[in-house]
Amino acid sequence: TQTVSQSDAHVTVFEGDSVELRCNYSYGGSIYLSWYIQHHGHGLQFLLKYYSGNPVVQGVNGFEAEFSKSDSSFHLRKASVHWSDSAVYFCAVSAHSNNRIFFGDGTQLVVKP
Amino acid sequence: GGIITQTPKFLIGQEGQKLTLKCQQNFNHDTMYWYRQDSGKGLRLIYYSITENDLQKGDLSEGYDASREKKSSFSLTVTSAQKNEMAVFLCASSIEQNYAEQFFGPGTRLTVL
Repeated sequence: TQTVSQSDAHVTVFEGDSVELRCNYSYGGSIYLSWYIQHHGHGLQFLLKYYSGNPVVQGVNGFEAEFSKSDSSFHLRKASVHWSDSAVYFCAVSAHSNNRIFFGDGTQLVVKP
Repeated sequence: GGIITQTPKFLIGQEGQKLTLKCQQNFNHDTMYWYRQDSGKGLRLIYYSITENDLQKGDLSEGYDASREKKSSFSLTVTSAQKNEMAVFLCASSIEQNYAEQFFGPGTRLTVL
């Protein structure tokens, strides 16, 4: 079974700051890793995913994530956040062998003006 | 582009009542999912379906039934509503080859009186 751990339940930053949202996973086989964003009162929206190749993947709105096999991590980063980035961010892992993904508990990002 | 529609947006029922939530997608996706999201928590998979008339149990299937009547629709039934399952129910879909990238509906919020 794959598991995902997001160590920070809440992160607060100011507009223009950089931010890193942490994600660690456990699974021994080939996996996909992905990040989703959920604005209040809405469903989740896909941001980016990693399968293989370049460990740094680019997503929408200036987000990027870096895969590290040695650390079993897939942290999400943004160089300069905007107030509209305030949302809950979910990390997810899926094995190539099945059709489902496992979500972390989410990190609430609050961007203050 | 496509869209996932969930009806109703708000569902209020009595304890012990049988309740049905509906989901429609026009992406022509093969796979559809039902998740439950408790307040401030991550997503837990209830049921998924990889094709029409297929059903696969997730981690939280007890107390629920599902039906994939056709490729574009996936229904979830709460067999006997309980107060402790008040939550937001999210429907999602993906193509079979890219289940790491799922598209979500806006959710149905269930209240049990």
